[in-house]
Amino acid sequence: GQNIDQPTEMTATEGAIVQINCTYQTSGFNGLFWYQQHAGEAPTFLSYNVLDGLEEKGRFSSFLSRSKGYSYLLLKELQMKDSASYLCAVLPFSGGYNKLIFGAGTRLAVHP
Amino acid sequence: DAGVTQSPTHLIKTRGQQVTLRCSPKSGHDTVSWYQQALGQGPQFIFQYYEEEERQRGNFPDRFSGHQFPNYSSELNVNALLLGDSALYLCASSSREGRTGELFFGEGSRLTVL
Repeated sequence: GQNIDQPTEMTATEGAIVQINCTYQTSGFNGLFWYQQHAGEAPTFLSYNVLDGLEEKGRFSSFLSRSKGYSYLLLKELQMKDSASYLCAVLPFSGGYNKLIFGAGTRLAVHP
Repeated sequence: DAGVTQSPTHLIKTRGQQVTLRCSPKSGHDTVSWYQQALGQGPQFIFQYYEEEERQRGNFPDRFSGHQFPNYSSELNVNALLLGDSALYLCASSSREGRTGELFFGEGSRLTVL
């Protein structure tokens, strides 16, 4: 099965950098994903890692280490609008097409 | 280009009742997945429809059923509602031609069971 762990809550200051970690136990997966969900809104796709390493996309970057069962999402130059939940998800080999397994999410609060 | 739309946005039911939730996928998408999101939790996969058939199913009882129509829209039905069914129900659409794992979610239907 899959077990995905993320910190429940984090706080950070506007303009700073924050790293949200995700660890997982799974027998294998096709990719690791990060989604952003503002309170009361739909989750939106942020990033996707298949191979080990860093994927950069503007202020957001995501890192994957398959051997360590670890990923992180890095948010730079934090803005107040980045206050949201960040969901780590895996697409398991056995899951079939687009059946994502989500973690519980990390609630990030950005303050001035 | 309309995104994923869901209805109703909010509804209240009592235990034992039945509910139907509706979803229209993003234009050009042919696959619809349903997720249940309890408060403070991540979305949990219920099932997925493609070509009007249920293709995959998560760990949900048979009380949860669905349908996909020829225009790719979908319904989620829940029978014999329990208090524990109170949650946000999210519909996600995708295309087999698009990036794997990139789901487009609707705003959800918030169900409260009293």
